Order: sequence, then structure tokens, then C-alpha cells
Amino acid sequence: GAVVSQHPSWVICKSGTSVKIECRSLDFQATTMFWYRQFPKQSLMLMATSNEGSKATYEQGVEKDKFLINHASLTLSTLTVTSAHPEDSSFYICSARKAPGLAGGGTDTQYFGPGTRLTVL
Amino acid sequence: QQQVKQSPQSLIVQKGGISIINCAYENTAFDYFPWYQQFPGKGPALLIAIRPDVSEKKEGRFTISFNKSAKQFSLHIMDSQPGDSATYFCAARGQAGTALIFGKGTTLSVSS
Repeated sequence: GAVVSQHPSWVICKSGTSVKIECRSLDFQATTMFWYRQFPKQSLMLMATSNEGSKATYEQGVEKDKFLINHASLTLSTLTVTSAHPEDSSFYICSARKAPGLAGGGTDTQYFGPGTRLTVL
Repeated sequence: QQQVKQSPQSLIVQKGGISIINCAYENTAFDYFPWYQQFPGKGPALLIAIRPDVSEKKEGRFTISFNKSAKQFSLHIMDSQPGDSATYFCAARGQAGTALIFGKGTTLSVSS
């Protein structure tokens, strides 16, 4: 299989604090991971593309200093929401693509995590 | 500019009926078109995907029809069941390794 996990599954924090969300590929290596944000009853909006060992590429309008992304290993990417505010409350979802060269790797398929519900009070 | 347009926004189908969701794209560089199913509070799960060199792909009750000249593709769910009630997203991707661009989603309700 190809399983992607996220931790935590939900988090409530006070305004002004920072929250870290982890995205792990459990049974495969992922050179590329993507972070999406989804507001209620809306589509998934790409926030950034994260490549292992390099800086993330952020989509237009996404503040890189507010949404810190680290992809330190082939199985882990983290998203840190710094100085969170109520408008940052959303469903954050990561996806991972298998690294080329591995069995089934370099394929088109992106595997999504279960998402993290962030509520900022 | 919305790169993938999806319709309808919502759909109600009777049990046993056929659910049809349509998507259109503009970027001719797109070369991979997946459909995802999402239940409330969960991440999207891949249903079926197609590349533009194929006009149709079927997996179980799910079929993708692809019209390259019209830049359109659709999802057909045969024998729709109440368990199919979910939100469906079409998506498209250009260069390998790049992110998916999602349509706005279709909420499907299958009445029993």
C-alpha cells in the first residue's frame, strides 16, 4: 500500500501561538510532498510544494514566513503555522508522491493524508 | 483563473441510478486526470485516473470518459449506492511531479 499519515488529526490553539503539523509517508519514500488547505465546503487549494532537502515552493498569496514547511527526510514533512489567527482555521491536508526509482515510484499517483483540522480561538 | 471547471456543484441520484460529473480544463499541457472521493472530515482518496491517450477507463462501477479535443472529462458512477454519497473532485496535472489542480467539487447524495 501507500499510506500517508498526519499528526495531529485535530488541534485547537489560542490566537498568536504556533502549531506544527506532521505529514509522514509510512511505507514509501516521498521526494515530493504537497500541502493543501481546504475551507468548509470548498475545494483543496495548494499552499506549497515541498521537496526533500530543499526549500519549499509556495503558491502565490501564501505567506512563507507564516506557513513554515520543512521536508527533512524522505518520509516526513512538517507545516508550522506561526502566530496563528482565527482566519487560519482550516483543514490542512498533505499528499505525497513516491520517489522515482522505487517500485511504483515516480508515478502520477499522489497519496493524501487524512487531514488535520486546525481551530484557532 | 480557474483551470479546472467542475459541474454540477451538487447532485441527487436515486439508488441504482447513474451519477455523472463533468469537468473541463483549459491547459493543453495537462496530461493526468484523476478523480478523488472525499468523505466529511477525511482526506481525498483516489478513485480512478486517466491519461489523454485513452478515451475511456473503467474500474468496477466507476468510468472516466475523456474527450481530448473538447478538453473535457467526466466520471460516471453506475448503480449508485447510498455509500457513494460524498464529495467528488476532478483534478488535473501538468508536468510530472507537480501538484494537482482541483475542480471545485461535486456533492453527491444517493437516496435509498
